[in-house]
Amino acid sequence: QVQLQESGPGLVKPSQTLSLTCNVSGGSVNSGGFYWTWIRQHPGKGLEWIGYMSDTGSLYYNPSLRSRLSIAVDTSTNQFSLRLSSVTAADAAVYYCAACGYTGARYSMDYWGQGTVVTVSS
Amino acid sequence: DIQLTQSPSSLSASVGDRVTITCRASESVTKYLNWYLQQPGKAPALLMYGVSTLHRGVPSRFSGSGSGTEFTLTITSLRPEDVGTYYCQQSFSTVYTFGQGTKLEIK
Repeated sequence: QVQLQESGPGLVKPSQTLSLTCNVSGGSVNSGGFYWTWIRQHPGKGLEWIGYMSDTGSLYYNPSLRSRLSIAVDTSTNQFSLRLSSVTAADAAVYYCAACGYTGARYSMDYWGQGTVVTVSS
Repeated sequence: DIQLTQSPSSLSASVGDRVTITCRASESVTKYLNWYLQQPGKAPALLMYGVSTLHRGVPSRFSGSGSGTEFTLTITSLRPEDVGTYYCQQSFSTVYTFGQGTKLEIK
């Protein structure tokens, strides 16, 4: 069973770049079967899909974040990452990494990390 | 983007009750509709995918139905561990979206 664990700084200054990493265990990021996904949840709010990298390297981003967002997979460390530039207070949230499993009939976030809290403050 | 609207936004029910949550899509998502439960203080977890297929380990008191733009999640006999917020999510579009959530409490 795939297990995911987010890591990264919990505090980021406004206008700086948020960088988070998701460590994957129990599976390989280049073995296929999953799209490596980021999702966030603002305090007391619902879930917002950020984007994912597919197993073929295709990138799909939330249009509202596309200009500031980068998702990458590192096969040497079995991790994937998120970089969000020019952060503001609106980017403060719990960030989750997830493994989106797919078959011909479905795409769903089968596995989730526990989440990491990101605060934006000077 | 495809908008998903859940109803109700919150509900309170008794142990053993039958509970139904509805998710409506702004356009057809065919069968690409998933449900998640976020228990208090935890990360969300997949309940079912493809409208009605239970994820491994999910008890059979959960069921899903629907197609196109209207979907339902039903819990046939509510248990205390079912409390939390339920989210629907569509993966028909390459831009995934979630419903706003339905918070379920025990009376």
